[in-house]
Amino acid sequence: NAGVTQTPKFRILKIGQSMTLQCTQDMNHNYMYWYRQDPGMGLKLIYYSVGAGITDKGEVPNGYNVSRSTTEDFPLRLELAAPSQTSVYFCASRGTSGRAATGELFFGEGSRLTVL
Amino acid sequence: RKEVEQDPGPFNVPEGATVAFNCTYSNSASQSFFWYRQDCRKEPKLLMSVYSSGNEDGRFTAQLNRASQYISLLIRDSKLSDSATYLCVVNPPGGKLIFGQGTELSVKP
Repeated sequence: NAGVTQTPKFRILKIGQSMTLQCTQDMNHNYMYWYRQDPGMGLKLIYYSVGAGITDKGEVPNGYNVSRSTTEDFPLRLELAAPSQTSVYFCASRGTSGRAATGELFFGEGSRLTVL
Repeated sequence: RKEVEQDPGPFNVPEGATVAFNCTYSNSASQSFFWYRQDCRKEPKLLMSVYSSGNEDGRFTAQLNRASQYISLLIRDSKLSDSATYLCVVNPPGGKLIFGQGTELSVKP
């Protein structure tokens, strides 16, 4: 079972470049999330989606955009990369049980991004 | 006030010790609560959910106090393999899952 797949695992960007982090899940989960984790810190929520066609801002959305055209895919776009966006990015999904979402997040392995 | 706050770390304890972590949350309408464990910057993994009545899983006990808006995690008889970062996670209304900043635990021989 693939679970949640993130690509790329590592990337170095120059200031001002743009890129898209890809995230795909094959568990038919409605809820998907993008987090970033800076050294010594917890995970900060960037954007999340409760279903195809619906996205919402999290705690730190500035400098990022997302889309959710299908249940499976939730790409994160960085426009005009800045050194402050150097971080480890995690994509995650979780399932639903009836109307309530279950608690367990399924994570990708993370994408380590450096902006120089 | 942050949505979710945890005890600052690191906690350095000897093997066999009992250690407790606390976590407070600001949204009183939060619906569910969890403890996750993260090893060496890998992806976090669910340790246990936290139920209103409290729940236990082997050496781990989780408690929820809705009136005071905090959750706790107790680890008894600490093992070397318990060394990790422990993250509390809160689910406010609307689908978000908010992480605390994490508490690092180091268990020494």
